[in-house]
Amino acid sequence: DGGITQSPKYLFRKEGQNVTLSCEQNLNHDAMYWYRQDPGQGLRLIYYSQIVNDFQKGDIAEGYSVSREKKESFPLTVTSAQKNPTAFYLCASGGREAFFGQGTRLTVV
Amino acid sequence: ILNVEQSPQSLHVQEGDSTNFTCSFPSSNFYALHWYRWETAKSPEALFVMTLNGDEKKKGRISATLNTKEGYSYLYIKGSQPEDSATYLCAFPLYNTDKLIFGTGTRLQVFP
Repeated sequence: DGGITQSPKYLFRKEGQNVTLSCEQNLNHDAMYWYRQDPGQGLRLIYYSQIVNDFQKGDIAEGYSVSREKKESFPLTVTSAQKNPTAFYLCASGGREAFFGQGTRLTVV
Repeated sequence: ILNVEQSPQSLHVQEGDSTNFTCSFPSSNFYALHWYRWETAKSPEALFVMTLNGDEKKKGRISATLNTKEGYSYLYIKGSQPEDSATYLCAFPLYNTDKLIFGTGTRLQVFP
């Protein structure tokens, strides 16, 4: 089945650790996105990529890094520099409309 | 930073009531407007992609209108049902890019 797969669904991180969230799509989309949602707020764009080996910062890129070595994959690393990483993270890919993964809930312990 | 604003932030209605909410977006360099429905514990799903001024789209009891000159879109739900309870998001792609800017969403709860 075509779609977007995010893993893991839940992730716990200790302070000072880097963690990587996985996002894979088999929809043959060029564009992929990472969004963050906090309680009471909308989806805020962290990074997006329009093509392999290229990506752009969104509105809240500080403390995050991404790579786009393959069309299917757009992993997001939450670094120790991200001061408030506890949030719900959504990955999407799209052409005319965006298709979303199920999300990863990251909690700092 | 371009703003996409939605109102109200949340809405509680009784089953059978009709309701509507608004998405406001920059009217210059308009390209398209997307509406998404996001149910709890699921992924957001696309409802409509609207591109032309005056567009009206319909899917069952849900419809949407678009005014690109004044920069707003309305989403209407006729005869709300409990299964309509969700957050409704609009998104505005920046002209000639793949960058999608989302509004904060309207959280709808329909009570039986």
